Amino acid sequence: ETGVTQTPRHLVMGMTNKKSLKCEQHLGHNAMYWYKQSAKKPLELMFVYSLEERVENNSVPSRFSPECPNSSHLFLHLHTLQPEDSALYLCASSQDVGMGGHQETQYFGPGTRLLVL
Amino acid sequence: AQSVTQPDIHITVSEGASLELRCNYSYGATPYLFWYVQSPGQGLQLLLKYFSGDTLVQGIKGFEAEFKRSQSSFNLRKPSVHWSDAAEYFCAVADSSNTGKLIFGQGTTLQVKP
Repeated sequence: ETGVTQTPRHLVMGMTNKKSLKCEQHLGHNAMYWYKQSAKKPLELMFVYSLEERVENNSVPSRFSPECPNSSHLFLHLHTLQPEDSALYLCASSQDVGMGGHQETQYFGPGTRLLVL
Repeated sequence: AQSVTQPDIHITVSEGASLELRCNYSYGATPYLFWYVQSPGQGLQLLLKYFSGDTLVQGIKGFEAEFKRSQSSFNLRKPSVHWSDAAEYFCAVADSSNTGKLIFGQGTTLQVKP
């Protein structure tokens, strides 16, 4: 399998549930990202990992907990979510995080459509 | 702070007609600019990018974009639209913080009439 994959593709959960989103990249990249795409809003960056170390936390509530066990896998653990957290969650990867004015191209997975009831 | 504006939320064109999607950015230095396309139920696919050099950038699927510093614009164009081009298009600029952060516009939904 190539590119960036995400599972599950669709998820329905109650506000008291705990679930996890999984992302896997098969590109040999060192950086991985979580984005949130809500209706009628621009994509919002949530977290950035570089070589399994978190380098950006974009003021995300603690009910979202990322985990990057290795450079190929990224998880987003969800607990006690709110209905307004319903959105498409996109994972992306890039060769490295942009440094020194150099920007790397990010490649996106298909997303997980999350509905919180 | 950096920002991206896509003035057109929704555009409808006839198949075979030309297309231009507008993108304006706010950025102090030389920007890194991207156009992505998202088909229904799919993730984002990179169409093209501008990092430096030639201001007219060629991308996949017959798309091109022109960087105009004087107008702070990076408009996407295609000379002849196909029905399969119906999708949502996002313009993005790289954040200057060296964390890989992309700032996205709100997107433009393209509808193609037969």
